[in-house]
Amino acid sequence: DSGVTQTPKHLITATGQRVTLRCSPRSGDLSVYWYQQSLDQGLQFLIQYYNGEERAKGNILERFSAQQFPDLHSELNLSSLELGDSALYFCASSAGTHNTGELFFGEGSRLTVL
Amino acid sequence: AQTVTQSQPEMSVQEAETVTLSCTYDTSESDYYLFWYKQPPSRQMILVIRQEAYKQQNATENRFSVNFQKAAKSFSLKISDSQLGDAAMYFCAYSAGANSKLTFGKGITLSVRP
Repeated sequence: DSGVTQTPKHLITATGQRVTLRCSPRSGDLSVYWYQQSLDQGLQFLIQYYNGEERAKGNILERFSAQQFPDLHSELNLSSLELGDSALYFCASSAGTHNTGELFFGEGSRLTVL
Repeated sequence: AQTVTQSQPEMSVQEAETVTLSCTYDTSESDYYLFWYKQPPSRQMILVIRQEAYKQQNATENRFSVNFQKAAKSFSLKISDSQLGDAAMYFCAYSAGANSKLTFGKGITLSVRP
């Protein structure tokens, strides 16, 4: 158990809909990262937040947005969903102190868009 | 931009034998971290081993060891005494430092023959 909690574990929705994925980092971790894993694109970095502020941005579509709240949990919002958005979405966190560079991953949220 | 390349999509090893997974990367940084993550069928991302670029000594974790060649920008993973539970997808990853995102290679699927 990495200590990172993601909900929901599975989600099935239709094209054009909007969903929200939630992540609770490990206790004390200030950084949260979102990754998308699809069969043809591998693990793609989407966005990072550090203590509530956006820290780095990757290949995140404009239809996607994220935020980190004062209690450090994070949400990834996916809107106007397309078939190609079907993927496994991972959240990860990293330690604020004694950081070894390692990211601790949640179990992922599997999104299926029909 | 940093890139991580895993050129072998699949490998197979006989149980109890040794296998080496290859990884190369590109960076202009002098200090960074390198990782190997394992993703079993459960899809959980599990850290196998990490290496800090400033350390010349190759990292070792039980049956797992790395061959880190900084000048060649090569970071291979050796698995000794392969076990059936080692069957998984393995990802090589690069990080520019603490609280930095990971850049992943495309991964390699390792199968273990009984």
